[in-house]
Amino acid sequence: DTGVSQNPRHKITKRGQNVTFRCDPISEHNRLYWYRQTLGQGPEFLTYFQNEAQLEKSRLLSDRFSAERPKGSFSTLEIQRTEQGDSAMYLCASSLIIWGSTEKLFFGSGTQLSVL
Amino acid sequence: DAKTTQPPSMDCAEGRAANLPCNHSTISGNEYVYWYRQIHSQGPQYIIHGLKNNETNEMASLIITEDRKSSTLILPHATLRDTAVYYCIRTTSGTYKYIFGTGTRLKVLA
Repeated sequence: DTGVSQNPRHKITKRGQNVTFRCDPISEHNRLYWYRQTLGQGPEFLTYFQNEAQLEKSRLLSDRFSAERPKGSFSTLEIQRTEQGDSAMYLCASSLIIWGSTEKLFFGSGTQLSVL
Repeated sequence: DAKTTQPPSMDCAEGRAANLPCNHSTISGNEYVYWYRQIHSQGPQYIIHGLKNNETNEMASLIITEDRKSSTLILPHATLRDTAVYYCIRTTSGTYKYIFGTGTRLKVLA
């Protein structure tokens, strides 16, 4: 079990630039989540995938944000035309959903984005 | 909005039991209580969850009141490494809706 891996750990970018983050979930996990966390707050749900299907997006996820999970494996989160308000920790989590069982989320260490 | 209420911070002496309360007075019959913790600069880590009965695992114990309106997470012998923010979450099984509040910041003191 190698855990959930996120890259990069840190990203500094200038306002207006595009950034892309990658998440590699635990290999057999069929659900993948993206959360955003700002200082002093708990993680906020952004979106999630069941296998390759994106099933829900939060209203926090503006049109500048897009997430993909091709082939139901790794996922990418892209932010276009970054704004200073996008500065946050972006967390990825994965889980194995089996009908009738409860779910445990396994989180990565996150990508810290700073928009200058 | 599946809210829970937790104290913002608590201190605990090393080696003593840490008892972290959570209020979920409007919890529904099919909602579970989950606990996660987040150590500085890491992602949240699952601790334990329960529906009605008390639960225990290698990390902690979860005590849920009979009316299910509140619960307590117990770390039986707190260590310095247990210093973290602890989140109490209520959610239905298999849902994606894990709503994290601001949690309780536990500081374990030497």
